[in-house]
Amino acid sequence: EDQVTQSPEALRLQEGESSSLNCSYTVSGLRGLFWYRQDPGKGPEFLFTLYSAGEEKEKERLKATLTKKESFLHITAPKPEDSATYLCAVPNQAGTALIFGKGTTLSVSS
Amino acid sequence: KAGVTQTPRYLIKTRGQQVTLSCSPISGHRSVSWYQQTPGQGLQFLFEYFSETQRNKGNFPGRFSGRQFSNSRSEINVSTLELGDSALYLCASSSYGYTFGSGTRLTVV
Repeated sequence: EDQVTQSPEALRLQEGESSSLNCSYTVSGLRGLFWYRQDPGKGPEFLFTLYSAGEEKEKERLKATLTKKESFLHITAPKPEDSATYLCAVPNQAGTALIFGKGTTLSVSS
Repeated sequence: KAGVTQTPRYLIKTRGQQVTLSCSPISGHRSVSWYQQTPGQGLQFLFEYFSETQRNKGNFPGRFSGRQFSNSRSEINVSTLELGDSALYLCASSSYGYTFGSGTRLTVV
């Protein structure tokens, strides 16, 4: 069964304290792995798509990496405005639906 | 370029009523999918439509139905509402990636 698991469920950081979020997946024939950011009451906002093991993408303080079994979202020197829920998702085998993890809720305090 | 538009943004309904939610995708996108988001279950897939055809359906009861029109706009209908249907309903428009709308917050009382 296709499955996506994210850890930790919640993460509290001090401003400037770097850390990583984990997304592990089991799916046959990976058709991409997506990272989204979601603010309360809003829809998920696209961050990155990764397609193959070893691929890395960066955007401001965020860097996403991919291996054959998991992906990491590294947050370097976070700021309070980085506080949000970060979601990881993979397409199902038919490519007709996204399977989401439960997300990691990040809180960054100043 | 306009994004994904969902209407209404907020809705309060009574148990037993029915509701219709609407989604207008990004211009040119022919695929629209729907998700239900609750605090306990996270985002769960409801339906996916491509060129007016339902290509995939999630594990939801028959009270949930949907359709897509020739202009790619999509609607979902939930009949005989239950308290557990209270959720954020999200629509995603896709071409090579998935772009989400802001969602419709449905509260069933």
